[in-house]
Amino acid sequence: DIQMTQSPSSVSASVGDRVTITCRASQGISSWLAWYQQKPGKAPKLLIYAASSLQSGVPSRFSGSGSGTDFTLTISSLQPEDFATYFCQQGNSLPYSFGQGTKVELK
Amino acid sequence: HVQLQESGPGLVKPSQTLSLTCTVSGGSISSSTSYWTWIRQPAGEGLEWIGRIYTSGSTNYNPSLKSRVTISVDTSKNQFSLKLSSVTAADTAVYYCATAATNWFDPWGQGTLVTVSS
Repeated sequence: DIQMTQSPSSVSASVGDRVTITCRASQGISSWLAWYQQKPGKAPKLLIYAASSLQSGVPSRFSGSGSGTDFTLTISSLQPEDFATYFCQQGNSLPYSFGQGTKVELK
Repeated sequence: HVQLQESGPGLVKPSQTLSLTCTVSGGSISSSTSYWTWIRQPAGEGLEWIGRIYTSGSTNYNPSLKSRVTISVDTSKNQFSLKLSSVTAADTAVYYCATAATNWFDPWGQGTLVTVSS
């Protein structure tokens, strides 16, 4: 099975900050990576798929990059509605697996 | 657009079988080329992929749960279901249904909390 490791586990940031979250796969997954945003009590929401493709309706301040084993989610200018937990997910091989999550908190 | 809604008992006794149903609206399961998926999340923890079913009835399960999981589809009701047998407290979680046209999940149901306790 492929293990997904995110860092950091939490980040404190202010509105307007640039935030970067990384995700590492235990083996190469090409570009089979997605990013989700989850707010308390809600289901995860797909933000980025295929490592760098923006899901319809997602603001352009979100971007993804990487391939192989190392990936990055960047929020270019953090907005109040972006305080949430973010998960990566590999879609390369079954069983699909998720990172442990990164909580973006208000500094 | 497609919407999903989970339903089922919120409390299950240890050693019994957890049964959940996901009702799909805004689209037909039988005409879709998507995989219909179950995912769970213990409180304060990460997400675990449980398994999926295709409209044809073919299934894939997480090996960690495979011996206890059954996913089925009822196209006449536009629903798919999850059964997890021999549950323990470790199976307490929010259970989500979701759909995957490719290898990512969108949309998701709102989730339903299932607690395993006597």
